[in-house]
Amino acid sequence: QKEVEQNSGPLSVPEGAIASLNCTYSDRGSQSFFWYRQYSGKSPELIMSIYSNGDKEDGRFTAQLNKASQYVSLLIRDSQPSDSATYLCAPSKDSSYKLIFGSGTRLLVRP
Amino acid sequence: GAVVSQHPSWVICKSGTSVKIECRSLDFQATTMFWYRQFPKQSLMLMATSNEGSKATYEQGVEKDKFLINHASLTLSTLTVTSAHPEDSSFYICSAALRPNTDTQYFGPGTRLTVL
Repeated sequence: QKEVEQNSGPLSVPEGAIASLNCTYSDRGSQSFFWYRQYSGKSPELIMSIYSNGDKEDGRFTAQLNKASQYVSLLIRDSQPSDSATYLCAPSKDSSYKLIFGSGTRLLVRP
Repeated sequence: GAVVSQHPSWVICKSGTSVKIECRSLDFQATTMFWYRQFPKQSLMLMATSNEGSKATYEQGVEKDKFLINHASLTLSTLTVTSAHPEDSSFYICSAALRPNTDTQYFGPGTRLTVL
């Protein structure tokens, strides 16, 4: 079992739709969870972090965390073609602050 | 805020030579920096964790004598790829964390290394 599982995609949605990205993790000790966006050929950029169960909203982005189910998701509302990228889920690993990256989900927003 | 730079952004070198990559936190002090490597169409793989003033901690399978890491100040970490070979060609990315205040990592723009 991989430490972090993400559907590789591509997830294709029309412009203006809601994109839903999912991630499961195996380490029950993970306390911090991060979503990064990576455009082709570029380094990851932080979208948001979440630490507690429930929802956290930041602009068009909403992160959801369920530690009991070891599940974290990212919703992107009003998707734009510029959101087309690979989205990386990254739980932290125990107390070392290391991040364990999933393989990422490629999102394609169709104009 | 939380800007991380890397230099150079790309480098081409001959097999057998050494290459140094710099990672700087521009507007904050980073007690911990991380070095990653990413091959095409693969995810980021952590190579090592670098703490200011102490030896780096390498991940399993990463040769510490080949990938030399120095974190001499709170704003600068360097990665030296020694005796580079074509299989070392990759995208090297550093990140910096504002520990102990937060575990959020901010990434540099990356360095693309091509070894001929």
